[in-house]
Amino acid sequence: QKEVEQNSGPLSVPEGAIASLNCTYSDRGSQSFFWYRQYSGKSPELIMFIYSNGDKEDGRFTAQLNKASQYVSLLIRDSQPSDSATYLCAGAGGGADGLTFGKGTHLIIQP
Amino acid sequence: KAGVTQTPRYLIKTRGQQVTLSCSPISGHRSVSWYQQTPGQGLQFLFEYFSETQRNKGNFPGRFSGRQFSNSRSEMNVSTLELGDSALYLCASSPSAGIEQYFGPGTRLTVT
Repeated sequence: QKEVEQNSGPLSVPEGAIASLNCTYSDRGSQSFFWYRQYSGKSPELIMFIYSNGDKEDGRFTAQLNKASQYVSLLIRDSQPSDSATYLCAGAGGGADGLTFGKGTHLIIQP
Repeated sequence: KAGVTQTPRYLIKTRGQQVTLSCSPISGHRSVSWYQQTPGQGLQFLFEYFSETQRNKGNFPGRFSGRQFSNSRSEMNVSTLELGDSALYLCASSPSAGIEQYFGPGTRLTVT
């Protein structure tokens, strides 16, 4: 069974610091990984996706993928209180079997 | 481009009833996936449609079904509702299967 594991948190980070969110996955066939941000009462919003080993940067966000270790991470630089949300990690396999989501990490940015 | 739209946004039903939820994907997107989100189980994959064909189905009972129309709009149906079906139902669209998906606002279903 495909699983994506995340620490549920809460992860508390001071404003301006780097928030580091981590995710591990069980399916070695997973090819693509996605980070979604979900505010309370809202639907998930796609913020990053990564397909290849290494780092991918977009503004304050950096996604990192290590397929050998089956590990995905998201770094948020210069954290802002508006970054406080639940961050969901998801993986997709080579087939059309939908995204497998972790249960999310609750991030709190303290002013 | 307009985002994914879902109707209705909120729904209250009684056990044993059935319900139909609707999703309109982003213009040009041909893949539509449905997910159920609950506090205990998180986001779980229901099924995915691409060009009117169901490509895959998650581990849900047959009471959950769906379809996709030629204009890529999709509906999902839940028959014989149970209390445990109370959840946020999310639709996500993608230009093609297996790549990034964009979620709609969801339909909050409450079964009493």
